Amino acid sequence: QKEVEQNSGPLSVPEGAIASLNCTYSDRGSQSFFWYRQYSGKSPELIMSIYSNGDKEDGRFTAQLNKASQYVSLLIRDSQPSDSATYLCAVHILTGGGNKLTFGTGTQLKVEL
Amino acid sequence: IAGITQAPTSQILAAGRRMTLRCTQDMRHNAMYWYRQDLGLGLRLIHYSNTAGTTGKGEVPDGYSVSRANTDDFPLTLASAVPSQTSVYFCASSDGDPRDTQYFGPGTRLTVL
Repeated sequence: QKEVEQNSGPLSVPEGAIASLNCTYSDRGSQSFFWYRQYSGKSPELIMSIYSNGDKEDGRFTAQLNKASQYVSLLIRDSQPSDSATYLCAVHILTGGGNKLTFGTGTQLKVEL
Repeated sequence: IAGITQAPTSQILAAGRRMTLRCTQDMRHNAMYWYRQDLGLGLRLIHYSNTAGTTGKGEVPDGYSVSRANTDDFPLTLASAVPSQTSVYFCASSDGDPRDTQYFGPGTRLTVL
């Protein structure tokens, strides 16, 4: 089992719809969770971070965390073509020491006009 | 403030040659990281450094070495490049706390022939 799993997609949604991106992780002790956006040919950039169970909202983005189910998600409301990118879920894994993130393989999102 | 710079932007290298990828950050971050990104495999940690003078192995360290002589610089060396090291390499940095964001450099695209 991979430490961080994401559906690779592509996930296609029409413009204006809600895009829902999901991620599961294996380490029950993980405390920090991040969503990065990566445009083709560019480097990852942070969208959201979440540390506590529940929802965290920032503009059109909402991160949801359920530690009991080992599940973290990202909702994008009013999806725009500029949201088309690969979204990487990253989890701080406690084993091995240091501040190390383990990344999922990413979900490709396509927002269609 | 430039953030993180990487050099070169891209490089084609003959197998067996030695190559050093450079990474410099101006954010005075304690921790720095090297990742490689391959299609279908996502971002994988090669080496990391929690603070100047210390380094650690990540998920895929074989064939790579790093040094951290000061806070700002974290070079990655391929002693004898092999075609399987063809990848996009990202350097990242953070303050070092598990809740801290990792900021990524623009990447180096390396092709080993």
